Amino acid sequence: AQTVTQSQPEMSVQEAETVTLSCTYDTSENNYYLFWYKQPPSRQMILVIRQEAYKQQNATENRFSVNFQKAAKSFSLKISDSQLGDTAMYFCAFMPGSGGSNYKLTFGKGTLLTVNP
Amino acid sequence: EPEVTQTPSHQVTQMGQEVILRCVPISNHLYFYWYRQILGQKVEFLVSFYNNEISEKSEIFDDQFSVERPDGSNFTLKIRSTKLEDSAMYFCASRYEQGDTQYFGPGTRLTVL
Repeated sequence: AQTVTQSQPEMSVQEAETVTLSCTYDTSENNYYLFWYKQPPSRQMILVIRQEAYKQQNATENRFSVNFQKAAKSFSLKISDSQLGDTAMYFCAFMPGSGGSNYKLTFGKGTLLTVNP
Repeated sequence: EPEVTQTPSHQVTQMGQEVILRCVPISNHLYFYWYRQILGQKVEFLVSFYNNEISEKSEIFDDQFSVERPDGSNFTLKIRSTKLEDSAMYFCASRYEQGDTQYFGPGTRLTVL
């Protein structure tokens, strides 16, 4: 079974600064996908970024980028130029790349990020 | 942009009552999921559904739970006899094909009194 660990329950950052959220995972799979989801106070789950394990290049989406270290099983999220709207709970999630039609997501416990003005 | 929708946004029920949570996945998606998030805890997988049958379910998904796709658009989660511990946010998600991203609905907050 896969596990996802987010070791930072809470973090804070000043507006316009850069912050990095950590995530590690454990799996015996070789093919898989990793995601960061954002959950603002409305509690909706919003996809931030995804990474395919077979791709060496780190994914980027505007101000969001990841540092994917496959050998270390590490998948951190960097938010540049933090904005007040980035305040949310951030969940790291793992999805196996094989397994028939299941492809369920396994989530970490989340990191609550607060962006201060 | 297409999105997953869920109704109701908030459901309050008495312990022992049956509830049905409804989801409309993105129209061309083939795989459907229900997840649960108890307040302050992580999101947990409940069940996956493909080709009109359950493909996997978690330990949480006991005999009190059932899912159905009664027509070409809706995907429902039924809890037959609710318990206090069923109080949670329930998320529906869908995806199109193998390895693709799961897109989540806005969730239904279920409160069992």
